[in-house]
Amino acid sequence: EPEVTQTPSHQVTQMGQEVILRCVPISNHLYFYWYRQILGQKVEFLVSFYNNEISEKSEIFDDQFSVERPDGSNFTLKIRSTKLEDSAMYFCASSPYRGNGNTIYFGEGSWLTVV
Amino acid sequence: QKEVEQNSGPLSVPEGAIASLNCTYSDRGSQSFFWYRQYSGKSPELIMFIYSNGDKEDGRFTAQLNKASQYVSLLIRDSQPSDSATYLCAVNDNTDKLIFGTGTRLQVFP
Repeated sequence: EPEVTQTPSHQVTQMGQEVILRCVPISNHLYFYWYRQILGQKVEFLVSFYNNEISEKSEIFDDQFSVERPDGSNFTLKIRSTKLEDSAMYFCASSPYRGNGNTIYFGEGSWLTVV
Repeated sequence: QKEVEQNSGPLSVPEGAIASLNCTYSDRGSQSFFWYRQYSGKSPELIMFIYSNGDKEDGRFTAQLNKASQYVSLLIRDSQPSDSATYLCAVNDNTDKLIFGTGTRLQVFP
C-alpha cells in the first residue's frame, strides 16, 4: 500500500536554529498538508499546498514557517528560528482530492524537540 | 472559531462490551465527519467517515451523525484490548483543512 514517508523521525535542535522536515507524499497525490500535535494536545492544521502554492494556512503558520516542493517529489516544512513551543509531532499528509477528508493519508510524523 | 469537543476520558470498558464515544462540533457548515484512531506516538489512522444523518456501520464500528444536534458518535462493539487508543473526531467543511478534537482515550481491559 502506498504511504507518506517523513524524515527525520525525531530531531533535537537548539532554540533559534533552523529546521527542515521532509516528506515524500504518495506519488499521484496533488494536495499536501502539514499538521502538528503538541504533546497531549489536539492535531492542528498548519498549511495546505496545491499547484506549487499555499492554498490555506492557519494562524499558527506565521512568518517563521515556510513550505516548499523543491523537486516534484519532496514536500518540506521549514521552521526558520525554532522556539521551545515549536516542540511537537509534525505530520505530513497528502490527498488526491481537495476537501475530501476520507482520502487524506498521514505520514508517521517527525517528532521535533527544541531545547 | 470552529471547535470540535470531545471528552478526554479515559473511557474504560471491559473486553466484549460496547464503547461509545461522542463528539460535538460548533460549525453548522461542517459537511464531513471522521473518526481517527491514534496510538501513542503514532499518526492518526482513519477508521470511519460519515456525511449524512443517521448510522453508518463498518464491521464492529458504527458512526452516528445528527446534524441538527451537531453531534457525532462512534460505537465500537465487542471491544478488544487492541482497541485501546485515543479516538479523534474531526470535521471538514470542504475546505482544505480537518479540524480535530482533543480525542477520547479508550481503555479496554481484559
